[in-house]
Amino acid sequence: QPVLTQPPSSSASPGESARLTCTLPNDINVDNYNIYWYQQKAGSPPRYLLYYSSDSNKGQGSGVPSRFSGSKDASANAAILNISGLQSEDEADYYCMIWPGNAWAFGGGTKLTVL
Amino acid sequence: QVQLVESRGGVVQPGGSLRLSCAASGFSFKSHGMHWVRQAPGKGLEWVAFIRFDESDKNYSDSVRGRFTISRDNSKNTLFLQMNSLRPEDTAVYYCAKDGYFQQWGQGTLVMVSS
Repeated sequence: QPVLTQPPSSSASPGESARLTCTLPNDINVDNYNIYWYQQKAGSPPRYLLYYSSDSNKGQGSGVPSRFSGSKDASANAAILNISGLQSEDEADYYCMIWPGNAWAFGGGTKLTVL
Repeated sequence: QVQLVESRGGVVQPGGSLRLSCAASGFSFKSHGMHWVRQAPGKGLEWVAFIRFDESDKNYSDSVRGRFTISRDNSKNTLFLQMNSLRPEDTAVYYCAKDGYFQQWGQGTLVMVSS
């Protein structure tokens, strides 16, 4: 299974924006895949947030605020989860996921702290 | 609404076996692929296995292939994970999840492999 790299931690203040990255290995081109994002709060199962492939191919999970959005940085071969107008309730672990074929792979997760 | 309820896990000795089940309701179970995902204590998400809606295809992570078997009973809306030759590193919370992109998750069940 491919290894998706996420920074272990990130922090921002309420009202600010957060940008969480998910870097793909060199042999997997981010432009060729849907990237999925999940939120996990302490003591709870993960929650599906959204997927992003391109600006014309994306989807939001049911009930997920539009403050959460996806994007890509092709130059870095990375997917990005953008969270605007941070709220204290956004403090959680965030995981990216891809499905490159006959296996599914999660990133190691980023713990977002809202200061 | 969609509900996924995993059976109770437990403590198993190394080399032992355990069968998990996941009772599904609130959707047409027979029409959806299903996953098992696990999370070791304090660690990230690890995909374990996937089964197509009609059992025509099953996929496993390298870490469990040959030891775990995923199956389903569409007449009883139930997903299973048979775990054999358990190792201490299999200790984790096990989640069942709906659809190829993990749209909904159960609450999880703890499996501890220890002597």
